[in-house]
Amino acid sequence: EPEVTQTPSHQVTQMGQEVILRCVPISNHLYFYWYRQILGQKVEFLVSFYNNEISEKSEIFDDQFSVERPDGSNFTLKIRSTKLEDSAMYFCASSSNRRPGTGGYSNQPQHFGDGTRLSIL
Amino acid sequence: AQKITQTQPGMFVQEKEAVTLDCTYDTSDPSYGLFWYKQPSSGEMIFLIYQGSYDQQNATEGRYSLNFQKARKSANLVISASQLGDSAMYFCAMREGLENNAGNMLTFGGGTRLMVKP
Repeated sequence: EPEVTQTPSHQVTQMGQEVILRCVPISNHLYFYWYRQILGQKVEFLVSFYNNEISEKSEIFDDQFSVERPDGSNFTLKIRSTKLEDSAMYFCASSSNRRPGTGGYSNQPQHFGDGTRLSIL
Repeated sequence: AQKITQTQPGMFVQEKEAVTLDCTYDTSDPSYGLFWYKQPSSGEMIFLIYQGSYDQQNATEGRYSLNFQKARKSANLVISASQLGDSAMYFCAMREGLENNAGNMLTFGGGTRLMVKP
């Protein structure tokens, strides 16, 4: 079964450094997402991406963050000038198109990668 | 107000018994979807089951079923015949505005830690 893959599985970075988290979504999916989960807390939405642009973003996703789809397969999250509070598990997810002929709604789940654990020292 | 509420921070269940994990939600959107994800101690998020607001029947996927009570705004997950491998965190999530596109964000609840006793 196709899956979302994320690299690296664990990233340790000094505070103030830039970090790039990489994701390869499922190949026929068109919608891409980043979420984060601070240790022991709920999963929080960061950003969604469709048709080569951001479609939605949360308050967390400020100027420190950016996303890019540099080629046909990768989807990256860049965090500039990392802070201690950026330490978290970062999940990439992807989903496919809406299901046709269903009165206009979609039941397509978002499939998550295994996450990248980011530790800021 | 919280959009997704999971009131059980932790639950125990005896192996082979059924267990219900509670989830209530809050939305004024008529078109929404409810999802359950499992997060084992290794950290990955595994999709389990989906219920759409317009679905007439409760969703089922193997040992997982969703007790969807729309008027009460609840979407409880029922796991039948619990196994030791079911021990994990379980998250309920909602996606609103489904009629717009399939790219809407998921809003997660705080999760329930399920522990299956042998």
